[in-house]
Amino acid sequence: DGGITQSPKYLFRKEGQNVTLSCEQNLNHDAMYWYRQDPGQGLRLIYYSQIVNDFQKGDIAEGYSVSREKKESFPLTVTSAQKNPTAFYLCASSREQAGNQPQHFGDGTRLSIL
Amino acid sequence: AQKITQTQPGMFVQEKEAVTLDCTYDTSDPSYGLFWYKQPSSGEMIFLIYQGSYDQQNATEGRYSLNFQKARKSANLVISASQLGDSAMYFCAMARFKTIFGAGTRLFVKA
Repeated sequence: DGGITQSPKYLFRKEGQNVTLSCEQNLNHDAMYWYRQDPGQGLRLIYYSQIVNDFQKGDIAEGYSVSREKKESFPLTVTSAQKNPTAFYLCASSREQAGNQPQHFGDGTRLSIL
Repeated sequence: AQKITQTQPGMFVQEKEAVTLDCTYDTSDPSYGLFWYKQPSSGEMIFLIYQGSYDQQNATEGRYSLNFQKARKSANLVISASQLGDSAMYFCAMARFKTIFGAGTRLFVKA
C-alpha cells in the first residue's frame, strides 16, 4: 500500500541537541510538507517542497531545517535554535502543490524535551 | 491575508443524528480549494472532502457533505447519521498554493 512513513513515533531531545525526523513517501508525489501541531491547535506550516532539491520556508521555519535530495524523502531537523520544540510533527505530501490537491499525512512524531 | 475560522471548539451529537461543523474563510483569491480533515486521537490526519471555489454543486462523499456558500465565505461540513467512530478533531483548510488550517472542532458522538 502506498503511504507516508514517519519515524520515530516518539522522540526526546536534550538541551543543545539537534534531532532529525524522518519522512518517506511511496506515493510518487512531487510536493511534501512539514507541519507543527501544538495541543488543542491547528497545523502550522514549517517547510514545504515542490520538487527535488527545492524547498521554501513556511510560517514558522526558524529553528528548523530540511533537505529534499530524493523525491521520496523529506527529513526535518529540529535544531538547538528551536527553543520550544515540544510538539506533534506531521509530514504530508500531495501530487503537486495546487489548491485542488488533498494532502496525505503520516502518523506523526511526538517530540519532547528531556 | 488568508484566514480560516472554526468557531466551535467542541460539539456533541447523538449517535445516528446529523451534525454541522462550521467553517468560514477569508481570501481575495478567486481560485482556491477548501478541504476537511479528520484527526482521531491517534493523531493521523485523514482527508474527508474537497470543494473547489468554482464548483457549482456542493461536494459529497458518503456521509460527508460540504455546504458551500461562496458569498458568505463559508464551507460547513455536514456529517449525516453520526457514528461513535466519528468522535475526533475536525479541521477545515483552505489552499491556493499553501494550505492553511483552522483551529479545529472536537466532535463527541454520544451513544
